[in-house]
Amino acid sequence: GNSVTQMEGPVTLSEEAFLTINCTYTATGYPSLFWYVQYPGEGLQLLLKATKADDKGSNKGFEATYRKETTSFHLEKGSVQVSDSAVYFCAPGGGTDKLIFGTGTRLQVFP
Amino acid sequence: GAVVSQHPSRVICKSGTSVKIECRSLDFQATTMFWYRQFPKKSLMLMATSNEGSKATYEQGVEKDKFLINHASLTLSTLTVTSAHPEDSSFYICSARTQTYEQYFGPGTRLTVT
Repeated sequence: GNSVTQMEGPVTLSEEAFLTINCTYTATGYPSLFWYVQYPGEGLQLLLKATKADDKGSNKGFEATYRKETTSFHLEKGSVQVSDSAVYFCAPGGGTDKLIFGTGTRLQVFP
Repeated sequence: GAVVSQHPSRVICKSGTSVKIECRSLDFQATTMFWYRQFPKKSLMLMATSNEGSKATYEQGVEKDKFLINHASLTLSTLTVTSAHPEDSSFYICSARTQTYEQYFGPGTRLTVT
């Protein structure tokens, strides 16, 4: 089955800093890859996705590239805002497969 | 994007009682819905896959007689926690899968068993 490893958090940054949250996965075949975000007290929202190798998903200034050769899907943003403070989950799967979630990485952005 | 709702958002119940949580896909039909449980500062644990018109598929270690799932229509799945105990207190999240296999999540239900 699929599995995913995310970097330990929390990640603490100042506003406008560059963000990278690492995600690597193991999978049989080539799953779709997703990043979800969870704001305090809320459910998960789809942030971005990529469905095949070399695809780049992007949304709200965040982006991640499906790297088949390194089985990675690292999340990046050039300039974070306080409002980006949340927990970010990487998840391979989709299609008829179940989504498998990583442990989540908490991002804290300070003014 | 597609919208999934959950009701209630918060519920407090006494030990030994049962509580039902509803998950609705508001603007699309979902033959498959999923129920997750999230512990504080932890990842989501998939509890079961709910299929419209058939029995749910439970993950290993999840008691199907305790967590009853009914997927009565293409827009509604319910999770009933029977004979709840304090250890059942948690954040329960559902998701619904579209016909193009994207999953959209509900806002979650905070269950507290006293």
